[in-house]
Amino acid sequence: DAGVTQSPTHLIKTRGQQVTLRCSPKSGHDTVSWYQQALGQGPQFIFQYYEEEERQRGNFPDRFSGHQFPNYSSELNVNALLLGDSALYLCASSYNRANREAFFGQGTRLTVV
Amino acid sequence: KQEVTQIPAALSVPEGENLVLNCSFTDSAIYNLQWFRQDPGKGLTSLLLIQSSQREQTSGRLNASLDKSSGRSTLYIAASQPGDSATYLCAVSSSNTGKLIFGQGTTLQVKP
Repeated sequence: DAGVTQSPTHLIKTRGQQVTLRCSPKSGHDTVSWYQQALGQGPQFIFQYYEEEERQRGNFPDRFSGHQFPNYSSELNVNALLLGDSALYLCASSYNRANREAFFGQGTRLTVV
Repeated sequence: KQEVTQIPAALSVPEGENLVLNCSFTDSAIYNLQWFRQDPGKGLTSLLLIQSSQREQTSGRLNASLDKSSGRSTLYIAASQPGDSATYLCAVSSSNTGKLIFGQGTTLQVKP
């Protein structure tokens, strides 16, 4: 089992550009959540996808959007990048039933210049 | 609004010591609580999950306890090793959707 995989691992973008991050959940998991982690802080919840729909959303602007595909993989899109969007973006997967234990990927380090 | 606090922010101990990391949360109506480990620049590794109906969970040298009524959890690490050096994060889920609310973490350094 490969666990949760994220791509790319590192990314450098210019202010105003758009970026897409990708996540493949752990085998058997059907729910994907995205988190943003600024340096020295705990992760902040962006949104969660289940059954290809956004089920819950944190306090992030509409510039942050996502998608979940029929194979449960997910994308996070950020438009009109700001310097403050520089962070580690983490994807977590879980199974909607049972104890909903979350497993995280290695993250994508996004730097906006 | 659920808030999670971890104290201390940083901790340095000599190898072999037993230690306790603390986590507190403001709303006792939680679904579960997870402890994670994070190495610098890396993702999170799940250490222990405690369901709201449970009092503690153990895995190897790690033991996590949960006291919902007081809004507290502790992570006990026995016989610490240099390889335990990392940031430890506590996260609570207040609903059955699994959304996690994190503390800011405790950065642990175990000196040989």
